[in-house]
Amino acid sequence: EPEVTQTPSHQVTQMGQEVILRCVPISNHLYFYWYRQILGQKVEFLVSFYNNEISEKSEIFDDQFSVERPDGSNFTLKIRSTKLEDSAMYFCASSVLYTGELFFGEGSRLTVL
Amino acid sequence: GQQLNQSPQSMFIQEGEDVSMNCTSSSIFNTWLWYKQDPGEGPVLLIALYKAGELTSNGRLTAQFGITRKDSFLNISASIPSDVGIYFCAGSEKLVFGKGTKLTVNP
Repeated sequence: EPEVTQTPSHQVTQMGQEVILRCVPISNHLYFYWYRQILGQKVEFLVSFYNNEISEKSEIFDDQFSVERPDGSNFTLKIRSTKLEDSAMYFCASSVLYTGELFFGEGSRLTVL
Repeated sequence: GQQLNQSPQSMFIQEGEDVSMNCTSSSIFNTWLWYKQDPGEGPVLLIALYKAGELTSNGRLTAQFGITRKDSFLNISASIPSDVGIYFCAGSEKLVFGKGTKLTVNP
């Protein structure tokens, strides 16, 4: 069964460092998303991406964040200068249509020290 | 921004019991969805609802989209140990998530 894959599964970084989280969405999906989940809290929307551009973003997705689809398969989230409060689980998701029926990856745990 | 109130926060039940959880919102949603998250994994879609009043089942799961479009409930009948996890309601196409209901099923 097709699935969304994410790498790395866990990354530890020093505050102020740049981090890139990678995702391979399901191949025939057109919409791509990033969410984050701080430990023990709810899943929060960061950004949605369609047709090679951001279609919607939340207040959390400030200038420190960027997304890119560098080739036909990868979808990346970059955090330019990490802060302690960026520590969270980051989930990539994809969907065929913009309906909310998202398929999530298993997440990348980011720990900022 | 849009917010969802999900209740209860947690439930402890015996295997075989039925479970009910719900979500309410102060604003209208065009879509209500229910996801389940197992520890260390991403959310998995259980049921999607698109029409006010819609009642949809998926095996032992039943969910309804409230008539006012501001609420939804999820029922699980005859719970089993593998139902353990966190259940999230979510609304709208970009998914505004509730805070989750943590379900524990005692065998």
